[in-house]
Amino acid sequence: GQQVMQIPQYQHVQEGEDFTTYCNSSTTLSNIQWYKQRPGGHPVFLIQLVKSGEVKKQKRLTFQFGEAKKNSSLHITATQTTDVGTYFCAGHTGTASKLTFGTGTRLQVTL
Amino acid sequence: DAGITQSPRHKVTETGTPVTLRCHQTENHRYMYWYRQDPGHGLRLIHYSYGVKDTDKGEVSDGYSVSRSKTEDFLLTLESATSSQTSVYFCAISELGQLQPQHFGDGTRLSIL
Repeated sequence: GQQVMQIPQYQHVQEGEDFTTYCNSSTTLSNIQWYKQRPGGHPVFLIQLVKSGEVKKQKRLTFQFGEAKKNSSLHITATQTTDVGTYFCAGHTGTASKLTFGTGTRLQVTL
Repeated sequence: DAGITQSPRHKVTETGTPVTLRCHQTENHRYMYWYRQDPGHGLRLIHYSYGVKDTDKGEVSDGYSVSRSKTEDFLLTLESATSSQTSVYFCAISELGQLQPQHFGDGTRLSIL
């Protein structure tokens, strides 16, 4: 079945450093969604990318969808302690209604 | 946050007992999902529903059943709980269409001893 892997599994940065998580799918995706889960919380939708090569920005966060629509990345510039949490990518394949989530990257930010 | 309520929020039970988790939504969304979250596995889909009485299996459906008799309620049942089903369970909802985001409930922490 479809697999979506994320690397790294965990990253610890100092506040102000940049952070990037990478998402790789074993199959071509129709779209990619990104979610953030704070410790003890539930996943919260951040953004969706649909087009090949698409890039979207939300303040310090930059999201990219690969040309082949099999990978994606999330880059955070100048991390803050409020960025702490686990970031998940998730994608649909074909016309499927089911969303496959990546394994997640846990980000820890210290002062 | 979307109007999604999961109950109970925490439950401890013994192996072999039946367990039912409830997800209630006030958004009138068509799609409802049950996921389990375990360390190193992310979120894995158990079952989902695309309408009243319309359900389908996800990637980890063995040992679980679901029912949806009303738009607003989606029940997840573990017929005979096992320790491997200890997990955090999340319900999610979405409107019709792949391009719609999913909105999650606060989760149920289930421990099976």
